[in-house]
Amino acid sequence: DAEITQSPRHKITETGRQVTLACHQTWNHNNMFWYRQDLGHGLRLIHYSYGVQDTNKGEVSDGYSVSRSNTEDLPLTLESAASSQTSVYFCASSPGPGDSPLHFGNGTRLTVT
Amino acid sequence: SQQGEEDPQALSIQEGENATMNCSYKTSINNLQWYRQNSGRGLVHLILIRSNEREKHSGRLRVTLDTSKKSSSLLITASRAADTASYFCARSQGGKLIFGQGTELSVKP
Repeated sequence: DAEITQSPRHKITETGRQVTLACHQTWNHNNMFWYRQDLGHGLRLIHYSYGVQDTNKGEVSDGYSVSRSNTEDLPLTLESAASSQTSVYFCASSPGPGDSPLHFGNGTRLTVT
Repeated sequence: SQQGEEDPQALSIQEGENATMNCSYKTSINNLQWYRQNSGRGLVHLILIRSNEREKHSGRLRVTLDTSKKSSSLLITASRAADTASYFCARSQGGKLIFGQGTELSVKP
């Protein structure tokens, strides 16, 4: 069955380090998204991509970057991790327009100490 | 914030009762979607209602949309303990989905 996989599931890192969270989908979806989930804020969009070589900033993109070199993967990089980036990160994908239903991964819990 | 408002933030009911969750938003939409999130897992899409629809059903779920009031509601009938989860509305805006803060539903056996 097609799926979307995030790795690692849990990560602890130190302030100032570069961290990359992986997202891999086998749905062959064009659209991929990264959200962060925090208590009191729900899910907020970080970056998104509508296809290979396409990337766009979301609501809370500062301090994050993404690249899309193939259909299956959209890695999220924290250039210099900050404590404010401690969160649960979700990757999602969809086949159609950006507002079509999303398929989510199970998340990566990141702690920045 | 671009996010909509959901209420209540938390809801506790007994098995067999109905659960109603509400979602309000501020801008025009193409569609509105509802998702469920079980503890420690990703969100799962439940139902999508388009801006020209007023009501939609899927099994024990009923979603209504009132574009004049910019609000939607999700009704879960005959709730079960397995319905315990967080429920989120997401509105389409500028070709992207904007999520609300969610309602935490607890269904007691």
